[in-house]
Amino acid sequence: DTGVSQDPRHKITKRGQNVTFRCDPISEHNRLYWYRQTLGQGPEFLTYFQNEAQLEKSRLLSDRFSAERPKGSFSTLEIQRTEQGDSAMYLCASSFWLADYNEQFFGPGTRLTVL
Amino acid sequence: GENVEQHPSTLSVQEGDSAVIKCTYSDSASNYFPWYKQELGKGPQLIIDIRSNVGEKKDQRIAVTLNKTAKHFSLHITETQPEDSAVYFCAANEDAGKSTFGDGTTLTVKP
Repeated sequence: DTGVSQDPRHKITKRGQNVTFRCDPISEHNRLYWYRQTLGQGPEFLTYFQNEAQLEKSRLLSDRFSAERPKGSFSTLEIQRTEQGDSAMYLCASSFWLADYNEQFFGPGTRLTVL
Repeated sequence: GENVEQHPSTLSVQEGDSAVIKCTYSDSASNYFPWYKQELGKGPQLIIDIRSNVGEKKDQRIAVTLNKTAKHFSLHITETQPEDSAVYFCAANEDAGKSTFGDGTTLTVKP
């Protein structure tokens, strides 16, 4: 296991279509995070899980966005009825949470372009 | 919520010089401060971090300082090399929950 992986790396879609991204965290990492990054900005938090439980969601995560981590391993992020404003890099990170151990390791991201 | 401000937005130095990037945060509950390097087309890579019970941490050419009272933390890179050129992000985090990031500093090291 060499790190966090994300699939696909690039996705081009038409406005109104649904898209789904997958993240595979580092083995045995119990926390998994989703962030969104637009050009020239830092990553913005979307949501995170501890095992299969979704612990926090950002207000950025509108009703069109849903994330799951059904077995506490990989996670999916779905965007329904995509809009041009959804175009961004979607980043996944994972960590092994234990008291005072916070390091988040990021994947390469999925770049979404909505036409 | 937490707000992180990062300065400068761009920084250009000669090879061998030092580079300093500064961040401020607003939430005194934040207790973990990572720094990331991001190269084009890649995800952020953790380069160094500091916890709130420590004032300074060093790793070879990279050091980070934290002033909890002033809510400031800084990244120092000495003896810069062209391969240090990238975008650097600071972040603030509370208890391994979400991280709040600054807007990044584009560092260019001229040979």
